Parts: sequence; C-alpha cells; structure tokens
Amino acid sequence: EVQLVESGGGLVQPGGSLRLSCAASGFSLSSYSLKWVRQAPGKGLEWISYISSSSSTIYYADSVKGRFTISRDNAQNSLYLQMNSLRDEDTAVYYCARESQGKSSGYSFDYWGQGTLVTVSS
Amino acid sequence: DIQMTQSPSSLSASVGDRVTITCRASQRISNYLNWYQQKSGKAPRLLIYAASSLQSGVPSRFSGSGSGTDFTLTISSLQPEDIATYYCQQSYSTLRTFGQGTKLEIK
Repeated sequence: EVQLVESGGGLVQPGGSLRLSCAASGFSLSSYSLKWVRQAPGKGLEWISYISSSSSTIYYADSVKGRFTISRDNAQNSLYLQMNSLRDEDTAVYYCARESQGKSSGYSFDYWGQGTLVTVSS
Repeated sequence: DIQMTQSPSSLSASVGDRVTITCRASQRISNYLNWYQQKSGKAPRLLIYAASSLQSGVPSRFSGSGSGTDFTLTISSLQPEDIATYYCQQSYSTLRTFGQGTKLEIK
C-alpha cells in the first residue's frame, strides 16, 4: 500500500525555521517526482514546490522562492522541505504528494500524505 | 503563471441531482487537467486525471470532459458522501496551479 506520512510541523515564531519530512512506503521513491502543497486555514490548495525523481529539476512557487528548499533522499525513502524566514502567511497544513508517471497520467498528484500543520505566530 | 478559475464557488444540490462544475484555464493546456475531491479535515483525493480518465476506485458517477481551456467535472447522481470541496489543477506548466475550489453542499 502506498503511504506518505508528513512530520515536523509545529509552532514557530516569525522569522524562524522549520524542516518538514515526508516518509514514503509501498513504492519505489526513486521512480517518482514529488511535490509539496499547502492549505492555509479555510483556504484552497496551493502548490509550492516540485522535485524530480533524481533531484535534477526543482521548482518553487513565487510565494516561497528563496526561503524554502525542497530535497529528497531516495535511499531513506524521504522528502524534505526546509522552511526559513517564516512569515505569518506561511501558516498552513503542508501536504506531500506523489506525481503520477507518464504523459497519459496527466502528471496528476495521485497519492497524498495526511498533512502536517505549521503555525507561524509570535 | 497559468490561472485556473472554477465556477461556481459554491453549489447546493439535492441527492440524485446531476451536478456540473466548470474550470477555465487562462491559456490552452491541452488535456493536462486533473480534478480532486477534498472532504472536511482530510487530504485531497484524485478523482479524474488527464481531463477525462477516472482514477482507480472512484465511482463511475464522476466524469470529466474538456480540452484546451474549458473543462467540466460532472456527478451524474449526487450522493450524500459527495459533500466536499472540488479542485481542478493544471499540469501543463511546470508551476502547477489549482483552481480556487467549489464547495458542494446537499440541499
């Protein structure tokens, strides 16, 4: 069974840092691109970062570029998100998601974790 | 960035009704359009990929159509368990973007 489990969320002060982790199981992590998506309280979904299977290609949304860093360790079956210079508006549930393979799949987000809550507040 | 606009933002319908949600892209995206269902307090779930393909395990009352800039998600006969917020998402651009969501309620 494919599973993604996020951890590392919590309360942090503005300007602080936090590192999120996403542990994968039930599939070969090295074969899939991964991404982080967040959802502020009562708001919609916001894609924030993408990393290819080999880490050779990385993208960020403008809202987090220069502050967040995505990385992965295929040997450890894990995805990470290093978040620096956190702002109030970064408060959200953060989800990791797997991107389906191949053009015919629509490059959809076919599996999601349960999410981890990050609260930025003084 | 490609902007995705859903309509309506909210919708109230009766059990058994046919429900349609639309999604419009700010530029042509071929069929790189996916639909997700998110129930309260839960992670999103993939329903439809590549505009019209039904994800494994999703009930056949869900269907998707469209290409280019205009897309539709249809529920042929609304069930109580379909209460959720629905999102479209484009995968044409490297900067993936979601629509703002459509909240579906039972009348």
